[in-house]
Amino acid sequence: GDSVTQMEGPVTLSEEAFLTINCTYTATGYPSLFWYVQYPGEGLQLLLKATKADDKGSNKGFEATYRKETTSFHLEKGSVQVSDSAVYFCALSEWGGATNKLIFGTGTLLAVQP
Amino acid sequence: DTGVSQNPRHKITKRGQNVTFRCDPISEHNRLYWYRQTLGQGPEFLTYFQNEAQLEKSRLLSDRFSAERPKGSFSTLEIQRTEQGDSAMYLCASSSVLNDEKLFFGSGTQLSVL
Repeated sequence: GDSVTQMEGPVTLSEEAFLTINCTYTATGYPSLFWYVQYPGEGLQLLLKATKADDKGSNKGFEATYRKETTSFHLEKGSVQVSDSAVYFCALSEWGGATNKLIFGTGTLLAVQP
Repeated sequence: DTGVSQNPRHKITKRGQNVTFRCDPISEHNRLYWYRQTLGQGPEFLTYFQNEAQLEKSRLLSDRFSAERPKGSFSTLEIQRTEQGDSAMYLCASSSVLNDEKLFFGSGTQLSVL
């Protein structure tokens, strides 16, 4: 079945460092890809999404490009802030399904130090 | 937009007892999802409603689990004869038919079965 694999954390960075969190997927068809973020004590929030190959999703300085040839959707940010500390989840929605059922990766904890 | 509300935030119960959780989605959202998240894992899909109709159930959802959305508004998830393996965070999410790929998650109900 469809699955998502993302790099294990925690990822610890200093403020203003460059961030990459790797995500690869296995899927039949053409899923949509997502990054969700969970700040401490809060529910998951959609950070960005891409619906087809070569699309780039972006939000709040974060970017990810849907790479069909490498089945990847890596999350990047050029300069992280302390406020970016959170758990980041890569996810896909099954293609052709009647629902937007999401399949999530295991999450990557990002800790940004001042 | 008051967000997705889940109650209670925490539930501690003894093995064998029944528990019920409630989810109030964003008012205009007709789609509602239940997910389960265990420590160190990403959320796993349990079930999905469109209005009052339960359209999909995961094989993860044993017959001890039942979910309802009687009037197409709030939803309840009941677990009968709880087991220690049911201990997890139970997440509810909702989405609008106009933007059904963007799920809004509640903060979850943390269940501990002793």
